[in-house]
Amino acid sequence: DQQVKQNSPSLSVQEGRISILNCDYTNSMFDYFLWYKKYPAEGPTFLISISSIKDKNEDGRFTVFLNKSAKHLSLHIVPSQPGDSAVYFCAASADYGGSQGNLIFGKGTKLSVKP
Amino acid sequence: DAGVTQSPTHLIKTRGQQVTLRCSPKSGHDTVSWYQQALGQGPQFIFQYYEEEERQRGNFPDRFSGHQFPNYSSELNVNALLLGDSALYLCASSSSGLAGEIYNEQFFGPGTRLTVL
Repeated sequence: DQQVKQNSPSLSVQEGRISILNCDYTNSMFDYFLWYKKYPAEGPTFLISISSIKDKNEDGRFTVFLNKSAKHLSLHIVPSQPGDSAVYFCAASADYGGSQGNLIFGKGTKLSVKP
Repeated sequence: DAGVTQSPTHLIKTRGQQVTLRCSPKSGHDTVSWYQQALGQGPQFIFQYYEEEERQRGNFPDRFSGHQFPNYSSELNVNALLLGDSALYLCASSSSGLAGEIYNEQFFGPGTRLTVL
């Protein structure tokens, strides 16, 4: 059973508009969440993270929102740029404050930003 | 500053063979984790090494084993290869030091593409 779910395999957005990528989780023990971006032939690149004690974290064009009661998080990219086209993975950890923990990943959402 | 490096880039093996994949962590990192990414899936945690010992392990059989060296580099060994072992194998490194609330996110290498025929 998947503990981290990204239900949209793909998303297409116009350049300059907002991209919203969604992620749901089932394990209430998860206390840290991360978003990674992956280009073909490269490893995942860390984008932004959020701990369970917060509900929002911003870094430039990227904002992550966490709704613990709904076990849902989302990544907002504003404005979207063609270079943002990649596969985005949501990941969760239940070991914050411990030994780094292993990351549980979703299946990813392929974002295409069209000029 | 070199990031996480992995070798080889690609590898083709036949069923029943054994394979060794290598990883050098990012400078300053002392923890190495290995992940398997099958086609169309997210990375799946195999195990993590710290201070030359396996610290955590995911749901993988004993055919998957690893090692960490004193310089923090690591190897992943897979014995008795199966067709289902064909995947991208990712190595990720991180620092064990905690800095307040800052979680030391894992940095990934480009991966090794293993094909089992």
